[in-house]
Amino acid sequence: DQQVKQNSPSLSVQEGRISILNCDYTNSMFDYFLWYKKYPAEGPTFLISISSIKDKNEDGRFTVFLNKSAKHLSLHIVPSQPGDSAVYFCAALGGAQKLVFGQGTRLTINP
Amino acid sequence: GAVVSQHPSRVICKSGTSVKIECRSLDFQATTMFWYRQFPKQSLMLMATSNEGSKATYEQGVEKDKFLINHASLTLSTLTVTSAHPEDSSFYICSARGSASSYNEQFFGPGTRLTVL
Repeated sequence: DQQVKQNSPSLSVQEGRISILNCDYTNSMFDYFLWYKKYPAEGPTFLISISSIKDKNEDGRFTVFLNKSAKHLSLHIVPSQPGDSAVYFCAALGGAQKLVFGQGTRLTINP
Repeated sequence: GAVVSQHPSRVICKSGTSVKIECRSLDFQATTMFWYRQFPKQSLMLMATSNEGSKATYEQGVEKDKFLINHASLTLSTLTVTSAHPEDSSFYICSARGSASSYNEQFFGPGTRLTVL
């Protein structure tokens, strides 16, 4: 049972444009959400997070939006840069304090 | 700060042998370490959680006798895949959380690619 879903396995965006990565979850007990960036043969690195009491969190070029009623969150990257090309994982935390990951979306930024 | 290393980064072994993977927190004391497994094009799946000095807690479906986890010190946890089989071939990633970390902070290692022939 996939509790965190990233339905787009890949996304291709032109450099300078906005990248929007989406994530859906099913467990209403999740109260904290994180985005990680991962390069091949490396572990994930933390990017940005949001608590369920907020609907938006911004950090430089990265903004995460949370829609609790829809159980949906998204990561916006603007402007997109070639170095942003990586796999992005959405993850959720609940009372059990265990990270539950989505399947990942491979983002490719084209020059 | 908050660097986690794994060793080896890549290992190839014969079916039936055992393989040990080390996870170290280099600049902080990791009271809790997590072990994940990632199959190609799939998400990271939590295998087990270990707290220093106590037995690991395994997720449903993970065989504790096959995947032995030891967290003997605040900077080292090991995962031993016993009697490895080709279906154990995967990317194994550890993460660590320190005593000063909030519950949502985990720092990930670079991962270990295990290939069982």
